[in-house]
Amino acid sequence: QSALTQPASVSGSPGQSITISCTGTSSAVGSYNVVSWYQQHPGKAPKLMIYEGSKRPSGVSNRFSGSKSGNTASLTISGLQAEDEADYYCCSYAGSSTLVFGGGTKLTVL
Amino acid sequence: EVQLVESGGGLVQPGRSLRLSCAASGFTFDDYAMHWVRQAPGKGLEWVSGISWNSGNIGFADSVKGRFTISRDNAKNSLFLQMNSLRAEDTALYYCAKDISPLDTAMVSYGMDVWGQGTTVTVSS
Repeated sequence: QSALTQPASVSGSPGQSITISCTGTSSAVGSYNVVSWYQQHPGKAPKLMIYEGSKRPSGVSNRFSGSKSGNTASLTISGLQAEDEADYYCCSYAGSSTLVFGGGTKLTVL
Repeated sequence: EVQLVESGGGLVQPGRSLRLSCAASGFTFDDYAMHWVRQAPGKGLEWVSGISWNSGNIGFADSVKGRFTISRDNAKNSLFLQMNSLRAEDTALYYCAKDISPLDTAMVSYGMDVWGQGTTVTVSS
């Protein structure tokens, strides 16, 4: 079970758009459209932002969107806001009833 | 209100055991797969283990396989994690999380939509 690869950090100014990538293998990310994305503020529990690759749970802003191409999934946040500053993690099914997370990406809103 | 409350964490010596519990409320517990996810101090999230709604599918991270077991009691809306042969590297905040899709027998997990606040496990002599 190798961790999914995410950039350690990304940054953007308010109002801009940013994209966080999540690269896996053909057995994780590539074979299944079940990537999910989580937002975590310091000292808080993770919050589901995207599930099943591109679906938003009720209550999550439509500024958040998910996509996938081959072995790489992406989370795009448009119209950046100060409250978007947080850590973001991707997660994928990895086969044989196992899941794997990415290493996490720290988003800084400049 | 949908809620998950973990308990059972604490300070334990290396090689000893600990059992974590997660009490669920506000949803039909026996319809959903459940997971344990941990976060070591200052580190990222690590999936530890998951169990399908009917306990028919169970998975573990390589880092805990053979040492941890997961179980659930649907009659009591409870999830458990039995941790044996604990190591210093098991020190973490352990979260219980609910899968978003009901009756996911294969436990592919489309996402985890409800999380508890976590219980802290510290393994140290």
